[in-house]
Amino acid sequence: AQSVTQLGSHVSVSEGALVLLRCNYSSSVPPYLFWYVQYPNQGLQLLLKYTSAATLVKGINGFEAEFKKSETSFHLTKPSAHMSDAAEYFCAVSSGSSNTGKLIFGQGTTLQVKP
Amino acid sequence: NAGVTQTPKFQVLKTGQSMTLQCAQDMNHEYMSWYRQDPGMGLRLIHYSVGAGITDQGEVPNGYNVSRSTTEDFPLRLLSAAPSQTSVYFCASSTPGGRAGGANVLTFGAGSRLTVL
Repeated sequence: AQSVTQLGSHVSVSEGALVLLRCNYSSSVPPYLFWYVQYPNQGLQLLLKYTSAATLVKGINGFEAEFKKSETSFHLTKPSAHMSDAAEYFCAVSSGSSNTGKLIFGQGTTLQVKP
Repeated sequence: NAGVTQTPKFQVLKTGQSMTLQCAQDMNHEYMSWYRQDPGMGLRLIHYSVGAGITDQGEVPNGYNVSRSTTEDFPLRLLSAAPSQTSVYFCASSTPGGRAGGANVLTFGAGSRLTVL
C-alpha cells in the first residue's frame, strides 16, 4: 500500500530564508508525486508534480522538489521565502498505477513566514 | 471559467439529519472524487468516479453515498449525519493520466464546511 509522511506539522521561517518541507513516500510501484498548497479558506492548488520525466521538478511561485528514489523522498524547497508563501502544504502520491484521480495525501505542513 | 463548484459552503446539521453536498464541474473531466479534510490527517478519499454511472469507494466511505448520472455532477449524500462527519469536504476532478503527462492533476473546489451537532 502506498503512503506519504510529511515530517513536521509546522515549519516557521523568516522572510528571505530557505524553505524546506519534507516528504517521504512508500510505494510498491513507480510513484507519481505531487505537492499541493492550500491558502486559508480555499481549496488546494497544484504546486508541482513528478511524473518520472525529470528528478528535479520546478513548480509555480519559485518552488521546486527533487525526487530521490534511494531515499524515497520528495522534499519541497524554495530559496527565499515570501510572506505570501504562508499556507498549508500537502504532499501526495498517486494511488496505484491506474491513474484514476485517487491521491493519498500526507498530513500537511503549515508554513509560517515571519517578517 | 468556473472549474469545480461546491455548494453549500457552510452547513450545520443535527445528528441523524440527511443532506447532499453538491459538486459540479464544467471542464468535461471524466474523473471526480470527494475528500474530507480533518486537522492533522490531511485529505482522505471518500468516494470517486471514473465516469458517468461508475463509482467506487475510497478510504473512508462509511456513512456516505454517491452517484454519477452525468459527467458534470457528483453529489455526496450523508444518510444520517453523525458528529464524526464534522469536517471540510472537497470535491475534485481530473482527466485520465495519459492526457496529463502520465499523472493526475486534481482541480479542487473551494470546499464545504460541515458541522454536525
